[in-house]
Amino acid sequence: SQTIHQWPATLVQPVGSPLSLECTVEGTSNPNLYWYRQAAGRGLQLLFYSVGIGQISSEVPQNLSASRPQDRQFILSSKKLLLSDSGFYLCAWGGESYEQYFGPGTRLTVT
Amino acid sequence: AQSVTQLDSQVPVFEEAPVELRCNYSSSVSVYLFWYVQYPNQGLQLLLKYLSGSTLVKGINGFEAEFNKSQTSFHLRKPSVHISDTAEYFCAVSEDTGGFKTIFGAGTRLFVKA
Repeated sequence: SQTIHQWPATLVQPVGSPLSLECTVEGTSNPNLYWYRQAAGRGLQLLFYSVGIGQISSEVPQNLSASRPQDRQFILSSKKLLLSDSGFYLCAWGGESYEQYFGPGTRLTVT
Repeated sequence: AQSVTQLDSQVPVFEEAPVELRCNYSSSVSVYLFWYVQYPNQGLQLLLKYLSGSTLVKGINGFEAEFNKSQTSFHLRKPSVHISDTAEYFCAVSEDTGGFKTIFGAGTRLFVKA
């Protein structure tokens, strides 16, 4: 069966520091992959999605970037974090019927 | 462009009572509809989905939803809730134009009281 991993689970970073969040999927090949951010008490904001290796689409202009170096690996990065980058970051992969399967999330606090 | 509106931000209900969480969507093309549940500090879990066919869809944990095309609604129901159903519920829609993107509603917090 398919499994999606995210790490780290929690992260506290100072403003201006770099960021790297990793997501890996097991049990499926060539999945559509997604990064979402969820601010406290709010819905999901789609940040990036990828339909294949090296193919990244950005939904929101910001200081974040994404990369897909391998078929089942999706990385979210930033060179310099802002306070507004705090939130709950969720990675997901897309099933054949357009449903999405989510990882456990990373809680990022920028101080 | 598609949009999703969850009409209630919070729904308090007593244990064993029925509950309905309301969702309306807007789209100019055919859509696929979903409900997800999120427990605190966890990712979202798929409850149920409507792709085509019967408008009444049954999902996990005793939940069901009904697709109403004329009213562009996809309300989630459960006849008898448990304390363990306390969570955030998200309605989502994906347009039948490739399915790469899904729009999520703002969420409804279901709070089940003893």
